[in-house]
Amino acid sequence: SAVISQKPSRDICQRGTSLTIQCQVDSQVTMMFWYRQQPGQSLTLIATANQGSEATYESGFVIDKFPISRPNLTFSTLTVSNMSPEDSSIYLCSVEVGDISPDTQYFGPGTRLTVL
Amino acid sequence: SQKIEQNSEALNIQEGKTATLTCNYTNYSPAYLQWYRQDPGRGPVFLLLIRENEKEKRKERLKVTFDTTLKQSLFHITASQPADSATYLCALGLNDYKLSFGAGTTVTVRA
Repeated sequence: SAVISQKPSRDICQRGTSLTIQCQVDSQVTMMFWYRQQPGQSLTLIATANQGSEATYESGFVIDKFPISRPNLTFSTLTVSNMSPEDSSIYLCSVEVGDISPDTQYFGPGTRLTVL
Repeated sequence: SQKIEQNSEALNIQEGKTATLTCNYTNYSPAYLQWYRQDPGRGPVFLLLIRENEKEKRKERLKVTFDTTLKQSLFHITASQPADSATYLCALGLNDYKLSFGAGTTVTVRA
């Protein structure tokens, strides 16, 4: 299994500023993912972050808006840049461990972001 | 376009009854399908995985079926309890470790 923590748990930010969200895992993992969950909607994958390589972004998400770092096998950050109210959402990181079943993911508790 | 649809409305059931949730998809050819539980203010928690060549999977009071012809999965919670109240998400996987999630169905079990 994997235990994942995220910081901050929530934040209220002003339009035009940036926020960096941290994701810490209690074990070394290869694959980490960043998702966004807007109110009442499904989780949408932002990007896949593997250690030692550039993050891979999904359609509709770009590195300039959501830069990601993956400095080692237990840590990653997601920055939400130049924020607007439309960025208000819950941001979650997850990891693929493969101990219960291949391809299952463990999720962090999420970061609730409100942009004014 | 690709679409994943779960029960459009919340499910309210009496304790002890069986809750049945649906997950329908279009324009996907998933290698597997997963079900997660999400409580308010928390991240999703993995429950069950079923592969494209499997028809049914069980885990304690949970049962999942997968019909690739109908492009549908059913998720059953038998002998439901108030502690089963949560939002349940289905997620489709394509063998590249990435998951596509449905919007979820909120289940409330009344004592």
